[in-house]
Amino acid sequence: GQNIDQPTEMTATEGAIVQINCTYQTSGFNGLFWYQQHAGEAPTFLSYNVLDGLEEKGRFSSFLSRSKGYSYLLLKELQMKDSASYLCAVRPYTGFQKLVFGTGTRLLVSP
Amino acid sequence: DVKVTQSSRYLVKRTGEKVFLECVQDMDHENMFWYRQDPGLGLRLIYFSYDVKMKEKGDIPEGYSVSREKKERFSLILESASTNQTSMYLCASSLALAHSTDTQYFGPGTRLTVL
Repeated sequence: GQNIDQPTEMTATEGAIVQINCTYQTSGFNGLFWYQQHAGEAPTFLSYNVLDGLEEKGRFSSFLSRSKGYSYLLLKELQMKDSASYLCAVRPYTGFQKLVFGTGTRLLVSP
Repeated sequence: DVKVTQSSRYLVKRTGEKVFLECVQDMDHENMFWYRQDPGLGLRLIYFSYDVKMKEKGDIPEGYSVSREKKERFSLILESASTNQTSMYLCASSLALAHSTDTQYFGPGTRLTVL
């Protein structure tokens, strides 16, 4: 089976750092994606990890540990516009481009 | 920029009606996907297609069918809409499987209400 767990909701303050965790148990593994989704809008791609380690992209970084089935998304210097849902998705080895999504973490950034 | 468009942002239908949701992408992507998104359940894959006239069932295909007659267009069909199909429907597309880093690009979604 496929199982992806994320916290349902997190809150943080503008300018702070927040880490959103994702753990997964899937039939295979061929990459992990993070998406951002603002309310009422389409998910947009943030990051991709397939090897262990940290991928940095501006204020956002994503980390992967395949042996632990664990990833996190790190958001630095939080801005109000970062208030959104963050979706973790795994591409199992089988099913090529098919993705399995977690339920998403809703992040609320306050002034 | 990749553009994925969906025919309607909001749709209200009655139980038993046949419903068509259309999705068009303009980047010559081979793969196209239909998801539904519900609170607490996340994005769930209904059907996907990796080529014209090809389709594969996703995790929740019951009550749905799809059609892909042209590469750029992928249609989701609810043969007889039911109230439990009230949801946000998202279409996505991506390049071929050879590109492992390829992400999926999503349309704006159609919020369907079945009364």
